[in-house]
Order: sequence, then C-alpha cells, then structure tokens
Amino acid sequence: DGGITQSPKYLFRKEGQNVTLSCEQNLNHDAMYWYRQDPGQGLRLIYYSQIVNDFQKGDIAEGYSVSREKKESFPLTVTSAQKNPTAFYLCASSPEGGYTDTQYFGPGTRLTVL
Amino acid sequence: GQNIDQPTEMTATEGAIVQINCTYQTSGFNGLFWYQQHAGEAPTFLSYNVLDGLEEKGRFSSFLSRSKGYSYLLLKELQMKDSASYLCAVSPTSGGSYIPTFGRGTSLIVHP
Repeated sequence: DGGITQSPKYLFRKEGQNVTLSCEQNLNHDAMYWYRQDPGQGLRLIYYSQIVNDFQKGDIAEGYSVSREKKESFPLTVTSAQKNPTAFYLCASSPEGGYTDTQYFGPGTRLTVL
Repeated sequence: GQNIDQPTEMTATEGAIVQINCTYQTSGFNGLFWYQQHAGEAPTFLSYNVLDGLEEKGRFSSFLSRSKGYSYLLLKELQMKDSASYLCAVSPTSGGSYIPTFGRGTSLIVHP
C-alpha cells in the first residue's frame, strides 16, 4: 500500500537538544511539506520541497532545518534555536506541487520538549 | 497576504444537517480545499472546488462563491464518526507557489 509514514508517533526531548523527525513516502510524489499544528491554530507551513535537493522556507522556518537527498524522504530537524518546539508535526506530499494537487498527510509526530 | 476565517466550534445532533462556513481574502485564488481531521490523526481530503457552485459527494457537499470569497461544507445525515475538525485551505497564485494556506479549522461535535 502506498502512503506516508512518520516516526515516531510520540517523541520526548530535553530542552536544548536537537531532534530529527522522519518522513518517508512511497507514492512517487515530487513535492513534500512539513507543517506544525498547535491547539486552536491551523496548519502552519515550516518547509517544503518540490524536487530532490531543493527546498524552500515556509511561514515559520526559524529554528528548523530540512534535507531532501532522496525523493521519498524529507526529514525535519527541530533545533535548539526553536523557542517553542512542543507541537504536533505533520508531513505531507503531493504529486507535483501544482495548484490542484491534493496533499496526502502522514499520521503525525507529537513532540514534547521537557 | 491571505486571511481565512472559520468558526472555531460547532455542535450538531446525530442525523441532522450542518453547514460549516469558510470565508477568505486572498491576493490570488486558484481553488479551495476541505479536509477532515480526527483528533490526533492526519487530515484527509474531502473536496476541492475551483468553479462556483455546489459539488456533492455522498453525504458531504461543498459550495464555492469566488466573487464573495465564501465556501461552505455541508454534512448531511450526521453520524457520530463525523465528530472531527474540518479544515478549509485556499490554493493561491502568488509567486509560482501553489501551496495551500489553511484556516484554523472548525471542531464539529456530533451528539446523540
């Protein structure tokens, strides 16, 4: 079955530590995205990539970094520079990143920084 | 810039009909998405409207008025499993990027 996987489902880290969230897709999609979701807020775009080896900052990129070395993988690193990292993180992909593209979402990772 | 507005929360009774509104103000507009998200889970696609009018898919319908910057999602014959957050997202035309901007979502509570 094709889809998007994110791991782990729950992640706990101490303040000041960097942490990397995994996102893998086997849908053969070109475009991938990372969103952050906080209670009472919509999905806010962190980074996106429309092609391998290229990515762009979204609305809230500060304190985060990404890489896109393979088409199927788009890991997100939450660095110690991110002031309020506790949130629900969603990864998504779409066929080409075009305006009619439906986004397919992974199950999410809930990050708690202690 | 873009501004998307949805009610924060709605409640309805099982078997009833509910309409969830979404208004938007954008510098460019391609289309509007509706997604459903159950608590702690991934959003799933419900509909995409480009043209004015109503599109029906089973118990769910979505309406768009481009001139009024307005859309609604209509859910009929409500079931308990319809309790979820409903996200409205606008696909823009700015700078060659077509990434949708999401509203804050409407939390729908269906009670017996």
